[in-house]
Amino acid sequence: NAGVTQTPKFQVLKTGQSMTLQCAQDMNHEYMSWYRQDPGMGLRLIHYSVGAGITDQGEVPNGYNVSRSTTEDFPLRLLSAAPSQTSVYFCASTLQGQANSEAFFGQGTRLTVV
Amino acid sequence: AQSVTQLGSHVSVSEGALVLLRCNYSSSVPPYLFWYVQYPNQGLQLLLKYTSAATLVKGINGFEAEFKKSETSFHLTKPSAHMSDAAEYFCAVTSFGAGSYQLTFGKGTKLSVIP
Repeated sequence: NAGVTQTPKFQVLKTGQSMTLQCAQDMNHEYMSWYRQDPGMGLRLIHYSVGAGITDQGEVPNGYNVSRSTTEDFPLRLLSAAPSQTSVYFCASTLQGQANSEAFFGQGTRLTVV
Repeated sequence: AQSVTQLGSHVSVSEGALVLLRCNYSSSVPPYLFWYVQYPNQGLQLLLKYTSAATLVKGINGFEAEFKKSETSFHLTKPSAHMSDAAEYFCAVTSFGAGSYQLTFGKGTKLSVIP
């Protein structure tokens, strides 16, 4: 039962570096999303996808890119990291983007930008 | 747009005492509401959800929540706190945007349980 798998668990980047946070799910879920979690801010939606080839922006998309070439994978790219992107990132998947759907979360990636 | 407000960023209770975590929602349509729990250094997992079938919803680990439309509330309770309940709890509501439903989270309430 892998569920939603995120890699890496921890990462330190220098300002201006790029990296990709990986997210994979094995539940054949159509809907996937990326959140960032900051102290006192809850979780804020960065980008989401309703299926392969379809992505859209959430509440805080600036500085991040996504793509969805397969149902299973939904990577998040930081093109030029900034200290403001220091955060914990969570990937989630849902069977369908329905109002009562349960979201399944990965274990998170803790990113520090110095 | 739908939103939720969690009252109290940090709540402390004694082991065996009642747990009450507050959540109020704002929604122009009948809402779907959720409580998620996050244990230290882990992802979120679903505690319970309200989908209009019943106003009192029972979840895992002895937690329950009551939907009160007149008060726009969905407070989370547990009669007797256990040390293992120490975690952060998030209330969430689904909102519709760009052809899909999305989860909108409150800022979270960190629960501490004192032995």
